[in-house]
Amino acid sequence: NAGVTQTPKFQVLKTGQSMTLQCAQDMNHEYMSWYRQDPGMGLRLIHYSVGAGITDQGEVPNGYNVSRSTTEDFPLRLLSAAPSQTSVYFCASSYGASFSYGYTFGSGTRLTVV
Amino acid sequence: QQPVQSPQAVILREGEDAVINCSSSKALYSVHWYRQKHGEAPIFLMILLKGGEQKGHDKISASFNEKKQQSSLYLTASQLSYSGTYFCGTEGSSNTGKLIFGQGTTLQVKP
Repeated sequence: NAGVTQTPKFQVLKTGQSMTLQCAQDMNHEYMSWYRQDPGMGLRLIHYSVGAGITDQGEVPNGYNVSRSTTEDFPLRLLSAAPSQTSVYFCASSYGASFSYGYTFGSGTRLTVV
Repeated sequence: QQPVQSPQAVILREGEDAVINCSSSKALYSVHWYRQKHGEAPIFLMILLKGGEQKGHDKISASFNEKKQQSSLYLTASQLSYSGTYFCGTEGSSNTGKLIFGQGTTLQVKP
């Protein structure tokens, strides 16, 4: 049972490049979310999903796309990287609050855009 | 809308108690509490659902006042391992999966 797996752990991008951050969970969780965390800041919700085929925008969705074709995977795509997207990105998953279940977080992807 | 946490920072000596508050301007379905140590991912502590319940394990407990849209995290007889940043996360009036976090409270426990 690997939990929530994020790849890559570190990435440096040039401005304008695109890339996909991968997130996979093996706990059969329906709920999955992406957060970004800037130095000294809290966690800001980018996009979230309550099941395969269902996604919705969070607090800071601009510049990011997501898709959820399977229960296990929830990739985050940066369309055209900007220095303002330099951050640590966390993926998280859960059975949902109605089951009194919190979120399990991945170890994060540290992204630098130059 | 982002919940508001207070205080922003707390410094304690081992064995002392602390309370961290989390308030929202909107009706809440659930309140989550997490702890994050520097350079690590957040770790889930507990969840409270609407109904005014209180939960706890070991020396960490929490309450949820649904009418006031407030939650408090209680840390008693603090240990060095309690140091870190504590985040509350709130979910709106139904089980939407949209979990919004507060700005965090940094707790430092000194020997």
